[in-house]
Amino acid sequence: DTEVTQTPKHLVMGMTNKKSLKCEQHMGHRAMYWYKQKAKKPPELMFVYSYEKLSINESVPSRFSPECPNSSLLNLHLHALQPEDSALYLCASSQDSGGATDTQYFGPGTRLTVL
Amino acid sequence: AQTVTQSQPEMSVQEAETVTLSCTYDTSENNYYLFWYKQPPSRQMILVIRQEAYKQQNATENRFSVNFQKAAKSFSLKISDSQLGDTAMYFCAFRTGTASKLTFGTGTRLQVTL
Repeated sequence: DTEVTQTPKHLVMGMTNKKSLKCEQHMGHRAMYWYKQKAKKPPELMFVYSYEKLSINESVPSRFSPECPNSSLLNLHLHALQPEDSALYLCASSQDSGGATDTQYFGPGTRLTVL
Repeated sequence: AQTVTQSQPEMSVQEAETVTLSCTYDTSENNYYLFWYKQPPSRQMILVIRQEAYKQQNATENRFSVNFQKAAKSFSLKISDSQLGDTAMYFCAFRTGTASKLTFGTGTRLQVTL
């Protein structure tokens, strides 16, 4: 089973709202990722968690705050976003981070619109 | 720095025909991995195939196969017996042996027609 789930599927929020995106996997993977994808562009890495610790932050603005409560869950907390943050947010997981088995499996994404 | 280039923004193929999507990459590393992902209009990124650079044998997965030319730094994807469900954006991706970061190409939009 290579399933990564993400909720919600769609989210519309105002610039003053606080919301959270959720990602879950039950494959026993120890690495989880957040990506941002604009229309007709490839995904851009935002954050990597390895063994529940933040290992990579690709200079993402602080209005995006990741959290990894346990090895199966990954959250992305959103606050004071800008309209240009509207995008598809993809979560991925892999067995390890940087190892030979590090094939990333993606969730279906959350389509975020910031008004 | 690693780069991945997909020179075909859009391609079209008729159902049941064969199509090849191109991908080239640039790296000074010797240990790395290459991937093809497809992203249909439903938007989920789905792993199509994976190739380890140390393996000389080209990877295959059912109707999907790759032509991996390490010296030329080329990693093309061949789709045989194309089906309507193959309509998607296809991304070539690269990862070095010890890094977790995937570097993606710009994608090729494939349309399969009747």
